[in-house]
Amino acid sequence: GENVEQHPSTLSVQEGDSAVIKCTYSDSASNYFPWYKQELGKRPQLIIDIRSNVGEKKDQRIAVTLNKTAKHFSLHITETQPEDSAVYFCAATPPSYNQGGKLIFGQGTELSVKP
Amino acid sequence: GAGVSQTPSNKVTEKGKYVELRCDPISGHTALYWYRQSLGQGPEFLIYFQGTGAADDSGLPNDRFFAVRPEGSVSTLKIQRTERGDSAVYLCASSLSGLGGELFFGEGSRLTVL
Repeated sequence: GENVEQHPSTLSVQEGDSAVIKCTYSDSASNYFPWYKQELGKRPQLIIDIRSNVGEKKDQRIAVTLNKTAKHFSLHITETQPEDSAVYFCAATPPSYNQGGKLIFGQGTELSVKP
Repeated sequence: GAGVSQTPSNKVTEKGKYVELRCDPISGHTALYWYRQSLGQGPEFLIYFQGTGAADDSGLPNDRFFAVRPEGSVSTLKIQRTERGDSAVYLCASSLSGLGGELFFGEGSRLTVL
């Protein structure tokens, strides 16, 4: 089955700096890679996603890149702000219909943005 | 409702007791998922429903765990003979079709087994 590894587990940056979180996956057939943000005690919420037919996707200060050959994908946050502080999870899903859209999550990265 | 609703938000029980956790997905979402999240970890897949049927229950840890979705909407996760290791936040999520795409999560049910 699919396995997703995420690093670093914690990341501390100064406000205005960039933050990069990296993930690797094991199943080369996986074709959907979302990133979820979870604030303390809250539900995970989708912030950006990318499909395997695209190498990069950007949404304002957030971007995700995908390298299918190396089986890794990364989240980039520019001009970080204190409200970006949260735990970020990457995930992957294989395309099998009987698995639906089930996601396999990484272990999470706790991002702290210091004012 | 506007989002995925889970009840109870908190449940404290004693080892060996039976527990039910309820999930009310977004109206019209045919796919429903249960995940378990331990402290400091990512959500761990338990089971996926497409309509009324469990299409994938490969994540259920053992036969003490069971889930149903009899009418294709509300789902109940049932845990028998609870153990201290079952303590976690149980997250429910739904999606429109189950063919990939955004999962909408509930706030979770925090289960503590004493």
